[in-house]
Amino acid sequence: KAGVTQTPRYLIKTRGQQVTLSCSPISGHRSVSWYQQTPGQGLQFLFEYFSETQRNKGNFPGRFSGRQFSNSRSEMNVSTLELGDSALYLCASSHGSGMETQYFGPGTRLLVL
Amino acid sequence: GENVEQHPSTLSVQEGDSAVIKCTYSDSASNYFPWYKQELGKGPQLIIDIRSNVGEKKDQRIAVTLNKTAKHFSLHITETQPEDSAVYFCAASITEYGNKLVFGAGTILRVKS
Repeated sequence: KAGVTQTPRYLIKTRGQQVTLSCSPISGHRSVSWYQQTPGQGLQFLFEYFSETQRNKGNFPGRFSGRQFSNSRSEMNVSTLELGDSALYLCASSHGSGMETQYFGPGTRLLVL
Repeated sequence: GENVEQHPSTLSVQEGDSAVIKCTYSDSASNYFPWYKQELGKGPQLIIDIRSNVGEKKDQRIAVTLNKTAKHFSLHITETQPEDSAVYFCAASITEYGNKLVFGAGTILRVKS
């Protein structure tokens, strides 16, 4: 079974731009969660989508948004990029019933200049 | 909200020795506690997890214990090998609310041969 895939793997943007990251979950998984990983703040939860609906949301500003498609693929968007948005963005997929393993993708490394 | 503290931040052991990493959580409603291993350039990989109705779980050289009263859980790795060197994260989740994981800050484990 193929694992979680994320595209692109690396991205360089400048302040003020916007960016869209993509995540394809493991086949059959309906839940996709997004996390931001930085050296200073560690791994922080952004949001979770389940059956095309946002089920959970972390404490990030409204510049961070996401969506999920009918095939469970998910995208996250960051508008008006700031230097502090430089991070590794990870997505994780699971069946969605809770109390279950979340499988992480390799991440997208975003650098904001 | 939930807060997870993890200690130590770095741990160096000799090959063959045991390693113990400890985490405490703040929300007594948390009921799912996974441990992830992250190697350089990769996403976190689940190594073991425990649910709140279980006090201990073992998988070969890896074990996790949970003390709900004290709100802490620990990872034990026996007979450490150089390939165990990585960053380890503990996490906690209240699964009734979906798949939101709150992570500890991580432990850098170095196994010296």
